[in-house]
Amino acid sequence: AQSVAQPEDQVNVAEGNPLTVKCTYSVSGNPYLFWYVQYPNRGLQFLLKYITGDNLVKGSYGFEAEFNKSQTSFHLKKPSALVSDSALYFCAVRGLNAGNMLTFGGGTRLMVKP
Amino acid sequence: DSGVTQTPKHLITATGQRVTLRCSPRSGDLSVYWYQQSLDQGLQFLIQYYNGEERAKGNILERFSAQQFPDLHSELNLSSLELGDSALYFCASSVGVGRVGFQETQYFGPGTRLLVL
Repeated sequence: AQSVAQPEDQVNVAEGNPLTVKCTYSVSGNPYLFWYVQYPNRGLQFLLKYITGDNLVKGSYGFEAEFNKSQTSFHLKKPSALVSDSALYFCAVRGLNAGNMLTFGGGTRLMVKP
Repeated sequence: DSGVTQTPKHLITATGQRVTLRCSPRSGDLSVYWYQQSLDQGLQFLIQYYNGEERAKGNILERFSAQQFPDLHSELNLSSLELGDSALYFCASSVGVGRVGFQETQYFGPGTRLLVL
């Protein structure tokens, strides 16, 4: 069975500072990893994904994520946080043997303070 | 805007009732997925349809059923509703399925918020 862990329920960061939202995964075979963001009363918006290749993936709104196979991690990062980045972030994994379903982590609330 | 539409946005009903949630995928997408987001269970995959056929099942209760129609829209039917069914139900779509499908991005609709009283 595949699983995703987001160890932090909430991350607080000051505007302009770098941010990291952590994600670790467990899956059989090669992982396909995704980050989504959910703003209040909105659906999930796709940020970025790792399929293969370069371990550093760049996505929307200045976000990037680093895939680390040995640590089974896929942390989301941004060099300079904006107040408007405050939202709920979900990491998800899709394993090769599990159909097309996404397994989501519990979510991390990012709070960026002015 | 992801291009996935869901109706209604909000639904309030009573225990024991039956409701139908509707989803229209992005133009050209053949796969539709249903997810449930609740406070205690988080985001959970319910079921997937591809071009009208059921392809994968997750943690979907027997009281719940879904189908995908020839025009590719999908409906999720929830019956004998219980208080615990109150949740946000998301539909997502992607182009295909299978080996290529693993690499595809699923695009989510805005969700239907169901409140069972």
